[in-house]
Amino acid sequence: GAVVSQHPSRVICKSGTSVKIECRSLDFQATTMFWYRQFPKQSLMLMATSNEGSKATYEQGVEKDKFLINHASLTLSTLTVTSAHPEDSSFYICSARDPGSYGYTFGSGTRLTVV
Amino acid sequence: AQKVTQAQTEISVVEKEDVTLDCVYETRDTTYYLFWYKQPPSGELVFLIRRNSFDEQNEISGRYSWNFQKSTSSFNFTITASQVVDSAVYFCALSETGTALIFGKGTTLSVSS
Repeated sequence: GAVVSQHPSRVICKSGTSVKIECRSLDFQATTMFWYRQFPKQSLMLMATSNEGSKATYEQGVEKDKFLINHASLTLSTLTVTSAHPEDSSFYICSARDPGSYGYTFGSGTRLTVV
Repeated sequence: AQKVTQAQTEISVVEKEDVTLDCVYETRDTTYYLFWYKQPPSGELVFLIRRNSFDEQNEISGRYSWNFQKSTSSFNFTITASQVVDSAVYFCALSETGTALIFGKGTTLSVSS
Protein backbone atom coordinates (compact mmCIF):
# COMPACT_ATOMS: atom_id res chain seq x y z
CA GLY A 1 0.00 0.00 0.00
CA ALA A 2 0.86 3.66 -0.12
CA VAL A 3 3.58 4.75 2.29
CA VAL A 4 4.34 8.21 3.62
CA SER A 5 7.67 8.77 5.31
CA GLN A 6 7.99 11.65 7.78
CA HIS A 7 11.23 12.95 9.28
CA PRO A 8 12.43 13.67 11.83
CA SER A 9 10.38 11.67 14.31
CA ARG A 10 11.56 13.82 17.21
CA VAL A 11 13.25 17.18 17.36
CA ILE A 12 14.23 19.50 20.15
CA CYS A 13 15.10 23.03 19.22
CA LYS A 14 15.86 26.28 20.95
CA SER A 15 13.34 29.05 21.08
CA GLY A 16 13.73 31.39 18.14
CA THR A 17 15.16 28.84 15.74
CA SER A 18 13.44 27.23 12.76
CA VAL A 19 12.69 23.58 12.24
CA LYS A 20 11.89 21.77 8.99
CA ILE A 21 9.77 18.64 8.85
CA GLU A 22 9.72 16.52 5.72
CA CYS A 23 6.96 14.34 4.40
CA ARG A 24 7.65 12.04 1.46
CA SER A 25 5.35 9.76 -0.47
CA LEU A 26 7.51 6.73 -1.20
CA ASP A 27 5.65 4.77 -3.81
CA PHE A 28 3.09 7.14 -5.22
CA GLN A 29 2.69 10.70 -6.35
CA ALA A 30 0.87 12.95 -3.95
CA THR A 31 -0.54 16.06 -5.56
CA THR A 32 -2.12 17.00 -2.26
CA MET A 33 -0.81 16.58 1.25
CA PHE A 34 -2.30 17.65 4.54
CA TRP A 35 -0.58 18.85 7.69
CA TYR A 36 -2.06 18.34 11.12
CA ARG A 37 -1.06 19.41 14.62
CA GLN A 38 -1.95 17.55 17.76
CA PHE A 39 -1.50 18.93 21.27
CA PRO A 40 -1.33 16.47 24.18
CA LYS A 41 -4.60 14.71 24.83
CA GLN A 42 -6.29 16.55 22.00
CA SER A 43 -7.45 15.71 18.53
CA LEU A 44 -5.67 16.20 15.23
CA MET A 45 -6.35 19.66 13.91
CA LEU A 46 -5.89 20.38 10.23
CA MET A 47 -3.37 23.15 9.73
CA ALA A 48 -3.10 23.37 5.98
CA THR A 49 -3.57 21.67 2.67
CA SER A 50 -0.48 21.51 0.53
CA ASN A 51 -0.81 21.34 -3.24
CA GLU A 52 2.08 20.51 -5.51
CA GLY A 53 3.29 23.56 -7.40
CA SER A 54 1.00 26.05 -5.73
CA LYS A 55 0.55 27.88 -2.46
CA ALA A 56 -0.76 26.01 0.52
CA THR A 57 -4.22 26.68 1.86
CA TYR A 58 -4.18 27.39 5.58
CA GLU A 59 -6.97 26.82 8.03
CA GLN A 60 -8.37 29.73 9.95
CA GLY A 61 -6.14 30.72 12.83
CA VAL A 62 -2.97 29.16 11.45
CA GLU A 63 -0.22 31.69 10.79
CA LYS A 64 1.05 31.11 7.27
CA ASP A 65 4.20 33.17 7.90
CA LYS A 66 5.07 31.04 10.87
CA PHE A 67 4.27 27.64 9.37
CA LEU A 68 5.82 27.64 5.93
CA ILE A 69 4.70 24.85 3.66
CA ASN A 70 6.45 23.92 0.47
CA HIS A 71 5.25 21.23 -1.91
CA ALA A 72 7.77 21.52 -4.70
CA SER A 73 7.48 18.01 -6.05
CA LEU A 74 4.91 15.27 -6.29
CA THR A 75 6.64 13.28 -3.58
CA LEU A 76 7.79 15.85 -1.06
CA SER A 77 6.07 18.39 1.15
CA THR A 78 7.86 20.27 3.91
CA LEU A 79 6.62 22.19 6.92
CA THR A 80 8.97 24.75 8.43
CA VAL A 81 8.17 26.12 11.84
CA THR A 82 9.87 29.51 11.87
CA SER A 83 11.01 31.31 15.00
CA ALA A 84 9.72 28.48 17.10
CA HIS A 85 8.43 29.16 20.61
CA PRO A 86 7.55 26.76 23.43
CA GLU A 87 3.86 27.03 22.56
CA ASP A 88 4.67 25.50 19.16
CA SER A 89 5.70 22.29 20.91
CA SER A 90 3.34 19.69 19.55
CA PHE A 91 2.97 16.55 17.48
CA TYR A 92 2.91 17.31 13.76
CA ILE A 93 1.69 14.72 11.29
CA CYS A 94 1.30 14.75 7.54
CA SER A 95 -1.10 12.87 5.34
CA ALA A 96 -1.59 12.19 1.66
CA ARG A 97 -4.48 10.87 -0.34
CA ASP A 98 -3.91 7.31 -1.41
CA PRO A 99 -4.35 7.43 -5.20
CA GLY A 100 -5.43 3.81 -5.31
CA SER A 101 -8.44 4.35 -3.12
CA TYR A 102 -10.32 6.98 -1.21
CA GLY A 103 -8.11 6.45 1.78
CA TYR A 104 -5.52 8.59 3.47
CA THR A 105 -1.99 7.58 4.37
CA PHE A 106 -0.33 9.18 7.36
CA GLY A 107 3.28 9.77 8.22
CA SER A 108 4.51 8.57 11.58
CA GLY A 109 4.54 12.07 12.99
CA THR A 110 7.11 14.50 14.40
CA ARG A 111 7.23 15.38 18.05
CA LEU A 112 8.57 18.92 18.31
CA THR A 113 9.81 20.28 21.60
CA VAL A 114 10.88 23.91 21.77
CA VAL A 115 13.00 24.80 24.79
CA ALA B 1 -19.71 22.25 7.31
CA GLN B 2 -18.50 18.86 8.34
CA LYS B 3 -18.24 17.82 11.95
CA VAL B 4 -17.49 14.67 13.91
CA THR B 5 -18.60 14.19 17.49
CA GLN B 6 -17.22 11.56 19.81
CA ALA B 7 -19.09 12.20 23.01
CA GLN B 8 -17.17 9.65 25.07
CA THR B 9 -13.90 11.17 26.22
CA GLU B 10 -12.67 8.19 28.19
CA ILE B 11 -13.86 4.63 28.65
CA SER B 12 -12.44 2.08 31.05
CA VAL B 13 -13.25 -1.59 30.82
CA VAL B 14 -11.92 -4.84 32.12
CA GLU B 15 -10.46 -7.40 29.76
CA LYS B 16 -13.00 -9.53 27.88
CA GLU B 17 -15.71 -6.92 28.18
CA ASP B 18 -17.32 -5.64 25.00
CA VAL B 19 -17.10 -1.91 24.40
CA THR B 20 -18.73 0.42 21.89
CA LEU B 21 -17.25 3.73 20.83
CA ASP B 22 -19.77 6.20 19.51
CA CYS B 23 -19.36 8.52 16.55
CA VAL B 24 -21.88 10.98 15.18
CA TYR B 25 -21.14 13.03 12.09
CA GLU B 26 -22.53 16.01 10.22
CA THR B 27 -22.15 16.73 6.54
CA ARG B 28 -24.16 18.32 3.78
CA ASP B 29 -22.62 16.19 1.07
CA THR B 30 -24.31 13.07 -0.18
CA THR B 31 -20.94 11.52 -0.95
CA TYR B 32 -18.59 11.22 1.99
CA TYR B 33 -16.26 8.79 3.70
CA LEU B 34 -16.03 7.74 7.31
CA PHE B 35 -12.97 6.35 9.01
CA TRP B 36 -11.78 4.96 12.30
CA TYR B 37 -8.16 5.21 13.42
CA LYS B 38 -6.34 3.89 16.45
CA GLN B 39 -3.56 5.95 18.01
CA PRO B 40 -1.35 4.08 20.47
CA PRO B 41 1.03 5.98 22.78
CA SER B 42 3.67 6.05 20.03
CA GLY B 43 1.46 8.54 18.21
CA GLU B 44 1.33 6.79 14.88
CA LEU B 45 -2.15 6.52 13.42
CA VAL B 46 -3.34 3.01 12.64
CA PHE B 47 -6.03 2.77 9.99
CA LEU B 48 -8.93 0.55 10.99
CA ILE B 49 -11.72 1.04 8.48
CA ARG B 50 -13.11 3.25 5.74
CA ARG B 51 -16.75 3.41 4.73
CA ASN B 52 -18.35 5.38 1.93
CA SER B 53 -21.75 6.95 2.27
CA PHE B 54 -23.37 4.55 -0.17
CA ASP B 55 -22.38 1.43 1.71
CA GLU B 56 -24.37 0.97 4.88
CA GLN B 57 -23.41 -2.61 5.36
CA ASN B 58 -22.05 -3.35 8.76
CA GLU B 59 -18.59 -4.82 8.86
CA ILE B 60 -16.85 -7.27 11.09
CA SER B 61 -13.13 -7.83 11.25
CA GLY B 62 -12.09 -10.24 13.94
CA ARG B 63 -13.03 -8.71 17.28
CA TYR B 64 -13.87 -5.39 15.64
CA SER B 65 -17.21 -4.44 14.16
CA TRP B 66 -18.72 -1.25 12.84
CA ASN B 67 -22.32 -0.12 12.64
CA PHE B 68 -23.05 2.57 10.06
CA GLN B 69 -26.50 4.14 10.21
CA LYS B 70 -27.21 7.05 7.92
CA SER B 71 -30.61 7.61 9.52
CA THR B 72 -28.90 8.65 12.75
CA SER B 73 -25.64 9.87 11.17
CA SER B 74 -23.71 7.45 13.29
CA PHE B 75 -20.74 5.19 12.69
CA ASN B 76 -20.15 3.27 15.89
CA PHE B 77 -17.26 0.93 16.61
CA THR B 78 -17.49 -2.13 18.83
CA ILE B 79 -14.63 -4.15 20.23
CA THR B 80 -15.68 -7.59 21.38
CA ALA B 81 -13.79 -9.33 24.19
CA SER B 82 -11.47 -6.38 24.70
CA GLN B 83 -7.79 -6.93 25.41
CA VAL B 84 -5.15 -4.82 27.12
CA VAL B 85 -3.53 -4.21 23.72
CA ASP B 86 -6.69 -2.42 22.64
CA SER B 87 -5.85 0.42 25.01
CA ALA B 88 -5.35 3.50 22.86
CA VAL B 89 -7.05 6.64 21.64
CA TYR B 90 -9.58 5.97 18.90
CA PHE B 91 -10.54 8.63 16.39
CA CYS B 92 -13.51 8.75 14.10
CA ALA B 93 -13.01 10.92 11.02
CA LEU B 94 -14.95 12.20 8.04
CA SER B 95 -14.01 13.43 4.60
CA GLU B 96 -16.13 14.90 1.91
CA THR B 97 -15.08 14.38 -1.70
CA GLY B 98 -11.55 15.65 -2.20
CA THR B 99 -11.20 17.27 1.21
CA ALA B 100 -8.98 16.60 4.18
CA LEU B 101 -9.99 14.31 6.96
CA ILE B 102 -11.72 15.99 9.85
CA PHE B 103 -11.32 14.19 13.13
CA GLY B 104 -13.47 13.85 16.19
CA LYS B 105 -11.93 14.61 19.57
CA GLY B 106 -11.14 10.98 20.17
CA THR B 107 -12.05 8.44 22.81
CA THR B 108 -9.39 7.12 25.15
CA LEU B 109 -9.97 3.45 25.83
CA SER B 110 -8.29 1.83 28.80
CA VAL B 111 -8.51 -1.91 29.13
CA SER B 112 -7.30 -3.36 32.42
CA SER B 113 -6.40 -6.96 33.12
